Amino acid sequence: EAQVTQNPRYLITVTGKKLTVTCSQNMNHEYMSWYRQDPGLGLRQIYYSMNVEVTDKGDVPEGYKVSRKEKRNFPLILESPSPNQTSLYFCAIRRTGTYEQYFGPGTRLTVT
Amino acid sequence: AQSVTQPDIHITVSEGASLELRCNYSYGATPYLFWYVQSPGQGLQLLLKYFSGDTLVQGIKGFEAEFKRSQSSFNLRKPSVHWSDAAEYFCAVGALGKGTSGTYKYIFGTGTRLKVLA
Repeated sequence: EAQVTQNPRYLITVTGKKLTVTCSQNMNHEYMSWYRQDPGLGLRQIYYSMNVEVTDKGDVPEGYKVSRKEKRNFPLILESPSPNQTSLYFCAIRRTGTYEQYFGPGTRLTVT
Repeated sequence: AQSVTQPDIHITVSEGASLELRCNYSYGATPYLFWYVQSPGQGLQLLLKYFSGDTLVQGIKGFEAEFKRSQSSFNLRKPSVHWSDAAEYFCAVGALGKGTSGTYKYIFGTGTRLKVLA
């Protein structure tokens, strides 16, 4: 079974303090993606990666960075978090040639 | 533009009653369609998917969904709801997205929160 882990699961931080949310998978899947979930808005894609060193913007990339140096890891970086980035974040994976995604457990971020 | 609409924000049903959650989509080609469930404090779990073929698809936990091209719908159903089905349900469409690679992306609906009365 596909396993996606995210750390931390909960984080409270202050405006401007850089943070990283990690995402790791044990399935050797090529595709990884980050979403944020906000009430009434569903899930919106932040960034995605088709493979190592290949990343692209999703629908709401502003204020976020990502990197894909290894196939199993896809960290989400907030260089200078702001309160409007308070949200529930999900990492997802997908194997090339398939169309269903598998999601991690989520990271609840609060920026004060 | 591609979009997914879940018109019901909240639905309340009694345990043992039947359930139908609505999903309508807007997409120019044959879509890939999905239903996910999110239990409180949990991630999203794939319930079922439709790519092609039989328009009635079976999923996990006793759920099924029917693809109706003429109505651009993919409604989720369950004949008898259990208290453990209380959760938020998301419909999603898979579509070719923007970006240099022309990759496939998901478009999610805003979710339907299901409450089950004992």
